[in-house]
Amino acid sequence: NAGVTQTPKFRILKIGQSMTLQCTQDMNHNYMYWYRQDPGMGLKLIYYSVGAGITDKGEVPNGYNVSRSTTEDFPLRLELAAPSQTSVYFCASSYRDRGLQLSYEQYFGPGTRLTVT
Amino acid sequence: AQKVTQAQTEISVVEKEDVTLDCVYETRDTTYYLFWYKQPPSGELVFLIRRNSFDEQNEISGRYSWNFQKSTSSFNFTITASQVVDSAVYFCALSEAILDDMRFGAGTRLTVKP
Repeated sequence: NAGVTQTPKFRILKIGQSMTLQCTQDMNHNYMYWYRQDPGMGLKLIYYSVGAGITDKGEVPNGYNVSRSTTEDFPLRLELAAPSQTSVYFCASSYRDRGLQLSYEQYFGPGTRLTVT
Repeated sequence: AQKVTQAQTEISVVEKEDVTLDCVYETRDTTYYLFWYKQPPSGELVFLIRRNSFDEQNEISGRYSWNFQKSTSSFNFTITASQVVDSAVYFCALSEAILDDMRFGAGTRLTVKP
């Protein structure tokens, strides 16, 4: 299993440009997440998805959009990039069963380092 | 509201010292899960342990041990005989059965000096 893969690894954007960060998992996990980590800081949740076709906002969703058309893929779209979006972006996936109240660990991708200048 | 508190922002120890990283959490849920992750200087996030709210047994894995105490809402992590390779940022996290997200603490940066 490749686990969680993210592309690209690095990207430099100019202010106002748009881009999509790709995330794919091959573990058949139902939950997927996008986090950002600013230098020296913790993880902030941007968006998450509990299954294909269902997405919801996290703590810092402004300036981002997501979609979840398949179980495997969870792309993050940045529209009109701003310097404040300079960060490392992590995608993660996990298995949860709300009915059984089960929650397993999140598996993280290697991250995408984004700079907006 | 802060649900996971890691009060120690940075800790520095000398190799072979023992070190404990504190984690205090808040929840009203009776079913929840606690996790520890390691983020070494290379940047990836590595899962270390998962513990559910009904299992208060302490866990030991090599030089790592975890102490879960529901009475004090704490899930502390101890590294025995620390090594330079233990230098990393360590995150504690909480997952509540009634919520879909996972709450991370701010992290503790551990530096182990030779």
